[in-house]
Amino acid sequence: NAGVTQTPKFRVLKTGQSMTLLCAQDMNHEYMYWYRQDPGMGLRLIHYSVGEGTTAKGEVPDGYNVSRLKKQNFLLGLESAAPSQTSVYFCASSYRTGGPNTEAFFGQGTRLTVV
Amino acid sequence: AQSVSQHNHHVILSEAASLELGCNYSYGGTVNLFWYVQYPGQHLQLLLKYFSGDPLVKGIKGFEAEFIKSKFSFNLRKPSVQWSDTAEYFCVPHNQGGKLIFGQGTELSVKP
Repeated sequence: NAGVTQTPKFRVLKTGQSMTLLCAQDMNHEYMYWYRQDPGMGLRLIHYSVGEGTTAKGEVPDGYNVSRLKKQNFLLGLESAAPSQTSVYFCASSYRTGGPNTEAFFGQGTRLTVV
Repeated sequence: AQSVSQHNHHVILSEAASLELGCNYSYGGTVNLFWYVQYPGQHLQLLLKYFSGDPLVKGIKGFEAEFIKSKFSFNLRKPSVQWSDTAEYFCVPHNQGGKLIFGQGTELSVKP
């Protein structure tokens, strides 16, 4: 049981390049999330999904797109990377968010540097 | 809209000192409250949670938190901290709807 797996773990991009971060979970969770973590800013929600085929904007969605074509996968795309997107990205999943047994499980993170 | 406020952004304590991290939330409906912890270089993990029942909940590593509905608070406590408790702590309300907001968190540094 791998839990939540993020790929890649590290990446360096040049300004203007594109890339996709993959998040995969094997817990049959409905909800999935993408966050970015920057010093002094805590975790900020980029986009989230409440089920296969759905996506919604979080707190800081600009410059990112997401897709949830399969229940177990949640992809985060950067179409044209900017230095301001240098950050550590975390993916998380949960069964749901209301009621018991709704703990969020996190991936190990992706450290992205845009030069 | 829901929001959460953690009063202290950075707390520095010596080993064996007592800890209390403040958390106030703003949400009108039923809310479940969680504390997550992120140890240096690691991903976030669950510390404890409140869903219903006894408002005093106990978590891993000797942590506990008390839900006070009238004050919209869910403060985290530990009687005696250890160097290994150095980490970032996040208070997170989970409500219906799926939007999981973490906020700034509190960085705890414990001096040996």
